[in-house]
Amino acid sequence: EVQLVESGGGLVQPGGSLRLSCAASGFTFYNFWMHWVRQAPGKGLVWVSRVNSDGSITNFADSVKGRFTISRDNAKNTVYLQMNSLRDEDTAVYYCARGAFRAYYMDVWGRGTTVTVSS
Amino acid sequence: QSALTQPASVSGSPGQSITISCTGTSSDVGAYNYVSWYQQHPGKAPKLLIYDVSNRPSGVSNRFSVSKSDYTASLTISGLQAEDEADYYCCSYTSSSTYVFGTGTKVTVL
Repeated sequence: EVQLVESGGGLVQPGGSLRLSCAASGFTFYNFWMHWVRQAPGKGLVWVSRVNSDGSITNFADSVKGRFTISRDNAKNTVYLQMNSLRDEDTAVYYCARGAFRAYYMDVWGRGTTVTVSS
Repeated sequence: QSALTQPASVSGSPGQSITISCTGTSSDVGAYNYVSWYQQHPGKAPKLLIYDVSNRPSGVSNRFSVSKSDYTASLTISGLQAEDEADYYCCSYTSSSTYVFGTGTKVTVL
């Protein structure tokens, strides 16, 4: 079964850091781009970042550029989102999603991990 | 990277058809045929509904269909059912090599 499981969420103070992980299983992980998408409480989906299959190409939304980094470990079938200089507005459920093979959409989603930025 | 524009809510009675619009710009919806749609039930993860403007993954009902014209894509749900009550989001690849989601539409089955 194709599966994505996020972890690492929690409560962090403004200005703090957090690293999210997404463990993949059931598919050939190194063949796929991976994405992070977030959803603030009661709000819509917002694309955050993506990384290509070997980790050499990354893209970010303007709202997180310079503060977040994305990386992957293909030996561990895991993608990471390092979040620094966190702000109140980064509070959200963070979803990991698989980029469809050689395509421009997200075909598999995890259940999400919750990040709360508050003092 | 402004969100694509969707109506906040759309409603219909069982069996009816409803349409959700998704309006972007020349840098996203108007630039590519890489528009996808996602359905999200409360407390659940999003689920892929449509990709590349009008293609359905296996298992998705053919009651869902999409059209696109210039900067606007539209999702039509025909034969509305109670299980269709959910939030719907469009998403487009952009000329900046990023993605942008729509503002989201809450569908209510009356």
